[in-house]
Amino acid sequence: AQKVTQAQTEISVVEKEDVTLDCVYETRDTTYYLFWYKQPPSGELVFLIRRNSFDEQNEISGRYSWNFQKSTSSFNFTITASQVVDSAVYFCALREGRDDKIIFGKGTRLHILP
Amino acid sequence: DAGVIQSPRHEVTEMGQEVTLRCKPISGHNSLFWYRQTMMRGLELLIYFNNNVPIDDSGMPEDRFSAKMPNASFSTLKIQPSEPRDSAVYFCASTWDRDGEQYFGPGTRLTVT
Repeated sequence: AQKVTQAQTEISVVEKEDVTLDCVYETRDTTYYLFWYKQPPSGELVFLIRRNSFDEQNEISGRYSWNFQKSTSSFNFTITASQVVDSAVYFCALREGRDDKIIFGKGTRLHILP
Repeated sequence: DAGVIQSPRHEVTEMGQEVTLRCKPISGHNSLFWYRQTMMRGLELLIYFNNNVPIDDSGMPEDRFSAKMPNASFSTLKIQPSEPRDSAVYFCASTWDRDGEQYFGPGTRLTVT
């Protein structure tokens, strides 16, 4: 069965520090897709990135970077030089190739302190 | 382009009343998902449609919940009768292909007193 684990329930860091949010997934499929979403205090869910299982290349977008490692079934998210506006709940999610459903982790609440 | 549109944004109702939540997906998207978010249970998928056909409603809590998608641009989630434990934020999301990421609406915050 597919499963997404975000072991860090809540993290607090001081502004400008780097922070990594962990995500570990379980699936029996060889084809699957991984996602990260951000939910700021305003409540909407914002798509950040999608990765498919055949592409292990790490991705960087500005201060955001993602490290996908199939060997450890992890898809970690790093924010470099964090800012107060990064404060949000971040969700990691998984979709198996044969399914339309996305399974979300429980989320990590990130506090960036000024 | 407009994103996923949900209405109302907030709904307060009394126990026993019927509640209807509405969703307009992004034009061209062919899959639509209804989620519920609570502190205790996180994000739960309730039901999803593909090309207006319900595919999986295994997440619908009970018979009090029903969802329809009469056409490609409109879906409703109905709760009848509502109960206080239905209080949550209900999200609608849409996507256009099986690989695609889901785009979420702003959500409807439902409070049942």
